[in-house]
Amino acid sequence: KAGVTQTPRYLIKTRGQQVTLSCSPISGHRSVSWYQQTPGQGLQFLFEYFSETQRNKGNFPGRFSGRQFSNSRSEMNVSTLELGDSALYLCASSSLIGATGETQYFGPGTRLLVL
Amino acid sequence: GIQVEQSPPDLILQEGANSTLRCNFSDSVNNLQWFHQNPWGQLINLFYIPSGTKQNGRLSATTVATERYSLLYISSSQTTDSGVYFCAVEPTGTASKLTFGTGTRLQVTL
Repeated sequence: KAGVTQTPRYLIKTRGQQVTLSCSPISGHRSVSWYQQTPGQGLQFLFEYFSETQRNKGNFPGRFSGRQFSNSRSEMNVSTLELGDSALYLCASSSLIGATGETQYFGPGTRLLVL
Repeated sequence: GIQVEQSPPDLILQEGANSTLRCNFSDSVNNLQWFHQNPWGQLINLFYIPSGTKQNGRLSATTVATERYSLLYISSSQTTDSGVYFCAVEPTGTASKLTFGTGTRLQVTL
């Protein structure tokens, strides 16, 4: 079974631009979560979608948004990029049934550099 | 929110040595996972262990949920074990929302 895939793997943008990252979960998984990893703040939860609905949201500004499609693929968007948005963005999938306590499987990440 | 503390923050070992990494958490959890982050950034699942003990080769883990801690044991360490180890928990009452510790950076030398 294929793992979680993320595209693109690397991205360079300039301040003020917007960016869209994509995540395809493990086949059959209906939950997709997004995380941001920076040297200063560590790994932080952004948001989670289950069956096309945002179920959980972390403490990030409204410039960070996401969505999930009917095939469970998810995208996250960051508008008006700032230098501090430079980070590794990780996506995780889980949840065949939407229960708590299920194993999270992570993709390889997208490394975003904002200049 | 829930607090997750990992210790030690850094660890240097000679190849063949054993080590114990600790994760303390401040509230009850549905889920606890240990990950190894490789040099390219991918988080590799080591254990899903909200309670009890599991072993996988040279690695084993124990979670004592009632005392809110988990331990990851690495025996006969190898240079390929180098990297950052994270503990992550899903607080009770939430789903699919992990809170990560700050990690333990392990370096195994020859």
